[in-house]
Amino acid sequence: ETGVTQTPRHLVMGMTNKKSLKCEQHLGHNAMYWYKQSAKKPLELMFVYSLEERVENNSVPSRFSPECPNSSHLFLHLHTLQPEDSALYLCASSQDLAGVLYTDTQYFGPGTRLTVL
Amino acid sequence: SQKIEQNSEALNIQEGKTATLTCNYTNYSPAYLQWYRQDPGRGPVFLLLIRENEKEKRKERLKVTFDTTLKQSLFHITASQPADSATYLCALALDTGRRALTFGSGTRLQVQP
Repeated sequence: ETGVTQTPRHLVMGMTNKKSLKCEQHLGHNAMYWYKQSAKKPLELMFVYSLEERVENNSVPSRFSPECPNSSHLFLHLHTLQPEDSALYLCASSQDLAGVLYTDTQYFGPGTRLTVL
Repeated sequence: SQKIEQNSEALNIQEGKTATLTCNYTNYSPAYLQWYRQDPGRGPVFLLLIRENEKEKRKERLKVTFDTTLKQSLFHITASQPADSATYLCALALDTGRRALTFGSGTRLQVQP
């Protein structure tokens, strides 16, 4: 186990549903990330949080809404998704953002397999 | 444009041989490079990090080289085992102010018994 948990592990939803993905890290890290991984494609960074503040939004559609209530928890709220949003959604954490003192070595959760019907 | 390239073709090797995976990048000046392992349906797991001033890094059966002139990193697994079968990703920390790693698409390694 990497110290990062994600729930649910699998999610099937219709295009009109609203659901949320949850991520929790038990590592005392300050930075958390959401990635999308589609088949045969590289990991796509979605959002970056540092100390609960969003520091990057990588041109993600507004139907994805992140929330970081504290440095241990990260949510991804989903609404009116499209079938092409079906993918593996991965949460990760790192000690800090990349900088002089720290690298941003990522610790990933197991992911949520999302299917949008 | 900035790009990271890993061989998208799967690498098939015999157990006991050395597997060598390649990561090439263009237009970057990375401060360091990382390698991750990913099993199907799971999140990537960090393996090794090598900094721009390091030529080589080792960890057990793993060895990573980093040639900033060629803009290339090689990832070696010696005495490979079927349990080494997975997808291996390289990731770069950019010096462009972007606040996270950029990942390559990965190379699938299959070690035959």
